[in-house]
Amino acid sequence: EDKVVQSPLSLVVHEGDTVTLNCSYEVTNFRSLLWYKQEKKAPTFLFMLTSSGIEKKSGRLSSILDKKELSSILNITATQTGDSAIYLCAGGSEKLVFGKGTKLTVNP
Amino acid sequence: GAGVSQSPSNKVTEKGKDVELRCDPISGHTALYWYRQRLGQGLEFLIYFQGNSAPDKSGLPSDRFSAERTGESVSTLTIQRTQQEDSAVYLCASSSLRVDTQYFGPGTRLTVL
Repeated sequence: EDKVVQSPLSLVVHEGDTVTLNCSYEVTNFRSLLWYKQEKKAPTFLFMLTSSGIEKKSGRLSSILDKKELSSILNITATQTGDSAIYLCAGGSEKLVFGKGTKLTVNP
Repeated sequence: GAGVSQSPSNKVTEKGKDVELRCDPISGHTALYWYRQRLGQGLEFLIYFQGNSAPDKSGLPSDRFSAERTGESVSTLTIQRTQQEDSAVYLCASSSLRVDTQYFGPGTRLTVL
């Protein structure tokens, strides 16, 4: 059965800290690994990774895929309170399998 | 439109009633997905439409759930004889052909009393 596992389930940090969120996947028909940020209802797209070892960056956020280890990490540097959200990882192709998410709380 | 839209944003219903949830995908997106997210849980896949192909209904939890899509546009998710365990946020997403990035709508929060 396809599955995506995220860790930790929750994380509380102080503003300015750097965090690393983990995602591992076992998905048949794997083509892409995606990261989303969910603050209220709608997940918003962050990154799509298809090639192993190539880092994608957007401001303080970055992510990399390791196809050998079937895993990905999402790094957030210099965290801000606005980074508080649930971060979802998903793997697949046309059909995505989602993890349960990591709830990040950034305290001032 | 600019993004995926869903209506209503909130729906409160009584146990046993039928409900219809609507999704308008991004214009030109051939793929449309429905997910359910219970409180504190991850996204649970329900159904997937791709163009004119037969939909993938493998995630529908029971025969009380059904969905339709008109061509490559609007979709409705219908839940018949609602139960309290149907209470959740129902999210719709769309994507372009052969592009895996799904763009989500704001969701419908369904509460079954």
